[in-house]
Amino acid sequence: GAVVSQHPSWVICKSGTSVKIECRSLDFQATTMFWYRQFPKQSLMLMATSNEGSKATYEQGVEKDKFLINHASLTLSTLTVTSAHPEDSSFYICSARVSRGVTEAFFGQGTRLTVV
Amino acid sequence: ELKVEQNPLFLSMQEGKNYTIYCNYSTTSDRLYWYRQDPGKSLESLFVLLSNGAVKQEGRLMASLDTKARLSTLHITAAVHDLSATYFCAVGNYGGATNKLIFGTGTLLAVQP
Repeated sequence: GAVVSQHPSWVICKSGTSVKIECRSLDFQATTMFWYRQFPKQSLMLMATSNEGSKATYEQGVEKDKFLINHASLTLSTLTVTSAHPEDSSFYICSARVSRGVTEAFFGQGTRLTVV
Repeated sequence: ELKVEQNPLFLSMQEGKNYTIYCNYSTTSDRLYWYRQDPGKSLESLFVLLSNGAVKQEGRLMASLDTKARLSTLHITAAVHDLSATYFCAVGNYGGATNKLIFGTGTLLAVQP
């Protein structure tokens, strides 16, 4: 299957700072990328959907000014957690959809964010 | 709003036994996905079910889809310890009205020797 690379795998940051997470599709062009958040022992919650070259669509309850998503190219999307707080500590996972008409999306390895 | 529920949330079973995980969803969808997640890891795709009556099998796992009942099952045959993980179903329709997946609550499977 197609490979999605997420970086970093884990990050620890101080409260009030910003953290950027990258999601790259290595061997295909991703028309759509999805960002999920997963708290311990819980399911994946979709945060936003981004299409290359356009603004991301955020799910209800997700602050777009706090979680900045950029999908500047067909192989790269970034999620920036601005002014992070301990309650933002979570496992963030991206997934990338290959192209229209394809039924599968592929997941990155995930990023464990800890805000201290 | 699409809701996806799994049953049970936690399953402890002995090696060699059979069991079924159920996934119910609230609105019409003709695509359903099953994933496996190991602790601290991302998701591994197991099955993609694309139509009513679809059945797929891989090793000791078999998944089926009944779109009329809005129900999918993941059947485990003769469980082994290596199957211990959290299993998620997800419903959605890429390119359709929702263009996204909604995940179920997850089932934590613990296979005891």
